[in-house]
Amino acid sequence: EAQVTQNPRYLITVTGKKLTVTCSQNMNHEYMSWYRQDPGLGLRQIYYSMNVEVTDKGDVPEGYKVSRKEKRNFPLILESPSPNQTSLYFCASTRSGQGYYEQYFGPGTRLTVT
Amino acid sequence: AQSVTQPDIHITVSEGASLELRCNYSYGATPYLFWYVQSPGQGLQLLLKYFSGDTLVQGIKGFEAEFKRSQSSFNLRKPSVHWSDAAEYFCAVGALLNGEYGNKLVFGAGTILRVKS
Repeated sequence: EAQVTQNPRYLITVTGKKLTVTCSQNMNHEYMSWYRQDPGLGLRQIYYSMNVEVTDKGDVPEGYKVSRKEKRNFPLILESPSPNQTSLYFCASTRSGQGYYEQYFGPGTRLTVT
Repeated sequence: AQSVTQPDIHITVSEGASLELRCNYSYGATPYLFWYVQSPGQGLQLLLKYFSGDTLVQGIKGFEAEFKRSQSSFNLRKPSVHWSDAAEYFCAVGALLNGEYGNKLVFGAGTILRVKS
């Protein structure tokens, strides 16, 4: 089954404790993205990757890091989480090229930073 | 830059009544438009999408949307709402990123639909 998986699904942590949210897709997609969802703001792109070792900032990258060492994986790293990063996070992937405009979303990770 | 406006934060409709959720986008060329639904505590589910062609698009769960270029709108409709349709609905437009449209979506703020019996 084609899918995007995220782990963990729920996470409660404390300010300053480094954490990683994993994302993996089994569709051999080139593009992957991270979004955060906040009430009244919809979803906003944090970072994206066009392929292995190629990443770039989205609209709200502050406080986050990413890496893309394998095509299927795109982890989101919060090196020093703060309460304003409490949010619902979605990973997404899509094929590269004209005509491939649909993004496939993971189930989401709900993060609470106290 | 592309942007999406969903003017209604909350909408309440009676079960069996018709529904229209509004979406306006800001983009110069032909947009790639999407509607997603998020049930409480769940992820995003794609309802329908518009890339080109017929401006009336049919989706899952009995939803449809009409693309109107002159009004920069892509409103979502359903003729008869069921209690299970209570959820949050997001309109999104594909943003041009590195020469392609598939790599980024710009979302509206969402509309929360409540269904009363």
